[in-house]
Amino acid sequence: AQSVSQHNHHVILSEAASLELGCNYSYGGTVNLFWYVQYPGQHLQLLLKYFSGDPLVKGIKGFEAEFIKSKFSFNLRKPSVQWSDTAEYFCAVDDYGNNRLAFGKGNQVVVIP
Amino acid sequence: DTGVSQDPRHKITKRGQNVTFRCDPISEHNRLYWYRQTLGQGPEFLTYFQNEAQLEKSRLLSDRFSAERPKGSFSTLEIQRTEQGDSAMYLCASRISSAEAFFGQGTRLTVV
Repeated sequence: AQSVSQHNHHVILSEAASLELGCNYSYGGTVNLFWYVQYPGQHLQLLLKYFSGDPLVKGIKGFEAEFIKSKFSFNLRKPSVQWSDTAEYFCAVDDYGNNRLAFGKGNQVVVIP
Repeated sequence: DTGVSQDPRHKITKRGQNVTFRCDPISEHNRLYWYRQTLGQGPEFLTYFQNEAQLEKSRLLSDRFSAERPKGSFSTLEIQRTEQGDSAMYLCASRISSAEAFFGQGTRLTVV
C-alpha cells in the first residue's frame, strides 16, 4: 500500500525565517500531490496541488512546492514565514490506481513572533 | 455555506453504545471519503464512495463500522458497540473525481 512520510513532526521557527517541509511517498505510478493546512480550530484546507506540468507549483499565502519524480518527493517551502503560518501541514498523495488519497502524519509548525 | 458539513460536531457516548455521524458533501461532488484523525496523526483513510458505491474500505474499518451513501448524496458512518479506542475526530471530505478534496469540520467522538 502507498505511504506518505513527513519528517520533523514539530518545527519551531521565528518570523521571517525560511520553512521547508519534506514529503516522500512510496507509490511508483502516476500520482496527484497535495499539501493541506489546518489552522488551529479550523478544518483542513488546500494549500497547493500538483497534477502535471511544471514541477514547481505555487499555492496560497506565498507557499510553493517542488515535485521531484526521481526522489518521490514533494517538498513544501516558504521563504519568509509569518506568525499566522502557525498550523499543522499535511502532505497527501492520490494515486491513479485506487484514488485513496493518503495523508502523511503532518508537521506541526509554530512561528514565534 | 455550501461546503462539506458534518453533524454532529461533538458526540460523547458511553462505551458499548452505537453512534451515527452524517456528512453532507458539496452537491456536485461524486466522491466522498471518511477519515479518522487522532492527536498528532494525519487523517487515516477509512472508506470512500463514488456516487452510491462504496469502492474501498481500509483494514482499519472493523466490522463494527459501517458506512452508507444511499442516494449518492449524503453519507452516514455508524459505529456499533463503541470502544474507548474509537475516540477520535472523524472527518468527511468530498471531491469531483481526482480533483482537490474539500473537508468538513469533523465530528469529535469521545467514548467514556
